[in-house]
Amino acid sequence: KAGVTQTPRYLIKTRGQQVTLSCSPISGHRSVSWYQQTPGQGLQFLFEYFSETQRNKGNFPGRFSGRQFSNSRSEMNVSTLELGDSALYLCASSLDAKSYEQYFGPGTRLTVT
Amino acid sequence: DQQVKQNSPSLSVQEGRISILNCDYTNSMFDYFLWYKKYPAEGPTFLISISSIKDKNEDGRFTVFLNKSAKHLSLHIVPSQPGDSAVYFCAASATTSGTYKYIFGTGTRLKVLA
Repeated sequence: KAGVTQTPRYLIKTRGQQVTLSCSPISGHRSVSWYQQTPGQGLQFLFEYFSETQRNKGNFPGRFSGRQFSNSRSEMNVSTLELGDSALYLCASSLDAKSYEQYFGPGTRLTVT
Repeated sequence: DQQVKQNSPSLSVQEGRISILNCDYTNSMFDYFLWYKKYPAEGPTFLISISSIKDKNEDGRFTVFLNKSAKHLSLHIVPSQPGDSAVYFCAASATTSGTYKYIFGTGTRLKVLA
């Protein structure tokens, strides 16, 4: 069974631009969560989607948004990029909304210059 | 406000010895805890978990201990192997709140010396 895939793996953007990251969960998994990893901050929860609905949201500004499609694939969007948005963005999938175990993708490394 | 803390950013251990990674939390609502291992250029991999109704969970070389009164959990790796060298994250969730959002610590980099 294929794991969680994220595209692109690496991305370089300029301040003020916007970016869209994509995540395909493990087949059959319906819940997708997004995390931001920066040095010294660990993994910080962005949001969680289940059945195309956002169930939880972390403490990030409105520039960060996401959505989930009917096939459980998810995208996250960051608008008006800032230098501080440079990070590894990780997507995790789980079987359903009550599954404790999350399976992570390799992440998308975003660099904002 | 860091609700889950891993106060040791790094740890070095000799191969064959025990590795002990620690994690402290502040939110008494947390009732489910997980440990993840992360290699460079890969996403975190689930290692072991423990529910607050237990104080110990064991899986092969990995054992997690939970001390609820101290709001402290630890991961023991015995014996440590060079392949265990990675960054280890603990994570906590307050499942009774109806949310399955996980709060992660900042990670501890373990280096197992051959």
